[in-house]
Amino acid sequence: GAVVSQHPSRVICKSGTSVKIECRSLDFQATTMFWYRQFPKQSLMLMATSNEGSKATYEQGVEKDKFLINHASLTLSTLTVTSAHPEDSSFYICSARGKRRAFFGQGTRLTVV
Amino acid sequence: GNSVTQMEGPVTLSEEAFLTINCTYTATGYPSLFWYVQYPGEGLQLLLKATKADDKGSNKGFEATYRKETTSFHLEKGSVQVSDSAVYFCALINPDTGNQFYFGTGTSLTVIP
Repeated sequence: GAVVSQHPSRVICKSGTSVKIECRSLDFQATTMFWYRQFPKQSLMLMATSNEGSKATYEQGVEKDKFLINHASLTLSTLTVTSAHPEDSSFYICSARGKRRAFFGQGTRLTVV
Repeated sequence: GNSVTQMEGPVTLSEEAFLTINCTYTATGYPSLFWYVQYPGEGLQLLLKATKADDKGSNKGFEATYRKETTSFHLEKGSVQVSDSAVYFCALINPDTGNQFYFGTGTSLTVIP
């Protein structure tokens, strides 16, 4: 069964609104979670690394004020896309690192209209 | 830097056909290489991996050999089934540069009866 649950799997929102995506590790504690984004026909690109109880580390070119990441507990990290615009439409996927390997959520397809 | 180049899809095959999905990589040092599979509506699942040169990863009839001389990790299966229809991602982790994954673009495979 799934060990990382990502919710929602699909979301459509209006321009200017904010969207929150949740990533939960179901049966293990994840001190580190990763958030990736995929544009059409492109690779999954790392956006940020999220450590429990501390600020996320963002990759170059990723706006931290636009993509708010919160890792409040060992089983939950959230990504909030603030003031969404159509160019934020993309596929977002989280990954949680366990003791020996990483597990991925099912991804969230965000469409901003 | 690190990067993964993966054969573009979509790929459509008849049941029992031979499958090859090409993957080449760029990395310094000694990366570990992975193939992940994403079935419709689900998260990425580890299909197989190889951690050093000449290692062969195998699972569910799929195989890939870590070829350092050609910097490749091509995925193969001798006889595909309809249930193999999914998106396949080639990826690497480079210990020299941290724990993040570097992914290919993903290849969509459809197997028709």
